[in-house]
Amino acid sequence: ETVMTQSPDTLSVSPGEGATLSCRASQSVSSKLAWYQQKPGQAPRLLIYSASTRATGIPARFGGGGSGTEFTLTISSLQSADFAVYYCQQYNDWPYTFGQGTKLEIK
Amino acid sequence: EVQLVESGGGLVQPGGSRRLFCAASGFTFSNYEMHWVRQAPGKGLEWVSYISSSGSTIYYADSVKGRFTTSRDNGENSLYLQMNTVSGEDTAVYYCARVLRYFDCLDYWGQGTLVTVSS
Repeated sequence: ETVMTQSPDTLSVSPGEGATLSCRASQSVSSKLAWYQQKPGQAPRLLIYSASTRATGIPARFGGGGSGTEFTLTISSLQSADFAVYYCQQYNDWPYTFGQGTKLEIK
Repeated sequence: EVQLVESGGGLVQPGGSRRLFCAASGFTFSNYEMHWVRQAPGKGLEWVSYISSSGSTIYYADSVKGRFTTSRDNGENSLYLQMNTVSGEDTAVYYCARVLRYFDCLDYWGQGTLVTVSS
């Protein structure tokens, strides 16, 4: 099983600033990596797939990068709606696995 | 508009059974692979099961293998999760999610249905 580890667990950032979230895979997942955003009481929403492709309707301030075992999600100029929990997920092999999540909170 | 609506959650006794439903609309259901993902209260996301568009291929997480069964009825645009021999570790919100074609990730999710296992 591919273990996904996200860092940090919690990130405190002021609105208007940028944030970088990390995700590491225990073995290569090529570029089969997705990022999801989840707000309290809501279902996850797909942000990024294939490591760097924004999903439909996702603003350009969200960017993904990396391949193999190291990945990043970068959010520029944070808005109030961006404060949420973010999960990475690999879909390179079974079972699909998620990271434990990074909570992005307002500083 | 793509919609996925789960139902069937509720209180289940340990060792009991429950059948979850996911009603799909707004897209050609028979063309899409589907997943079940769950989230225990206050915890992260856990993948549960996958089913191919035809229903001929199904995968399960080790934590549910042999106890849960995923199926679908393309004529009814419905996805199902039969949960047997449940325990407290199965307490979670269960989401159905659609696969983004050609890319394998999950592009649309339902709102989830809560299953609570307790006596």
